[in-house]
Amino acid sequence: KQEVTQIPAALSVPEGENLVLNCSFTDSAIYNLQWFRQDPGKGLTSLLLIQSSQREQTSGRLNASLDKSSGRSTLYIAASQPGDSATYLCAVLYNNDMRFGAGTRLTVKP
Amino acid sequence: KAGVTQTPRYLIKTRGQQVTLSCSPISGHRSVSWYQQTPGQGLQFLFEYFSETQRNKGNFPGRFSGRQFSNSRSEMNVSTLELGDSALYLCASRDSGATPYNEQFFGPGTRLTVL
Repeated sequence: KQEVTQIPAALSVPEGENLVLNCSFTDSAIYNLQWFRQDPGKGLTSLLLIQSSQREQTSGRLNASLDKSSGRSTLYIAASQPGDSATYLCAVLYNNDMRFGAGTRLTVKP
Repeated sequence: KAGVTQTPRYLIKTRGQQVTLSCSPISGHRSVSWYQQTPGQGLQFLFEYFSETQRNKGNFPGRFSGRQFSNSRSEMNVSTLELGDSALYLCASRDSGATPYNEQFFGPGTRLTVL
């Protein structure tokens, strides 16, 4: 069964901290992995896409890594800001569909 | 380029009714996927359309159906609505040719409430 798990479910940090969000998946036969951000009641905003052949991607203060062999991805956020507060979802693309984790709800306190 | 648009943004229906949701993908994108998001089940894949053909389908009952038009716009229909169909329905588009590897872009969603 293709399952995607995100830990922790919720995280609260003071502004300025560096943090890591974790995503694990049971089936390593992935095409790609995508990290999204979702604000309450809104759609998903794509943050980073990592193809199965890649090890990491970077965009601004965000860095995502992928280790297919261990079935893990991490999203690193540097120098967190209150505006980063949102739910972060990882999604794994398999042959027939995209599987999402339940998300990590991040709160960055001023 | 304009993003993915979904209409309507909010809907209230009663049990037994049917509903049609609309999605316009990013210009040039031929792949459109639909997802259901609920607090209990999270985000679940409904189906994907590419060039007017359903390419993939998730594990949902036949009450959920969709179609795609020649201009890549897509509609999703839910018949005989049940209370459990209350959810945020998200549409995503992708610049996908023969491979499905490209980045997905999501619309703002349609919030459906079934009373």
